[in-house]
Amino acid sequence: AQKVTQAQTEISVVEKEDVTLDCVYETRDTTYYLFWYKQPPSGELVFLIRRNSFDEQNEISGRYSWNFQKSTSSFNFTITASQVVDSAVYFCAQTFYGNKLVFGAGTILRVKS
Amino acid sequence: DTGVSQNPRHKITKRGQNVTFRCDPISEHNRLYWYRQTLGQGPEFLTYFQNEAQLEKSRLLSDRFSAERPKGSFSTLEIQRTEQGDSAMYLCASSLVRTGKGYEQYFGPGTRLTVT
Repeated sequence: AQKVTQAQTEISVVEKEDVTLDCVYETRDTTYYLFWYKQPPSGELVFLIRRNSFDEQNEISGRYSWNFQKSTSSFNFTITASQVVDSAVYFCAQTFYGNKLVFGAGTILRVKS
Repeated sequence: DTGVSQNPRHKITKRGQNVTFRCDPISEHNRLYWYRQTLGQGPEFLTYFQNEAQLEKSRLLSDRFSAERPKGSFSTLEIQRTEQGDSAMYLCASSLVRTGKGYEQYFGPGTRLTVT
């Protein structure tokens, strides 16, 4: 069965600090897909990134970067130079070939000015 | 291209009443998903469709819940004889799944159901 664990319930940082959100997943599938979503106070889930299990290359997009390590079953998300607008709940999720998403419990990120 | 839309955005109903929610996916997306999210939790899968075929239903989906996607376009989720435990945000998502591509799901704003 698939399972996603986000051990950090809530993180508070001061603006411009870097912050890393942890995600650990469990699956028996050899092919799977991992995702990060952002849920701002408005409530709508926003897709941020997808990674395939066969591609461990890390990715950077502006202030966002993702570190995927199959050896530790982790898919961590780092925000560099955090901003107040980054305050949201962040969810890690996984799926097998476009079926249901299995979400973690989410990490609340609070960025203070 | 417009995103996923859901109606109504909010619904307050009395226990025992039936409610129906509608989801309009991104046009040409072949998969449509329903999730339920309660406060402080991640979304939980309820069911999904590929075109008009319902491919999977969660054990969370009791007999009081039914979902349809006629003609593979919009979808409806009906809850019969609502209970207070049904109070939650009901989220709809869609994706265009092709071999090796399109597994990301795009979510609508949700319908918040309150059962009194």
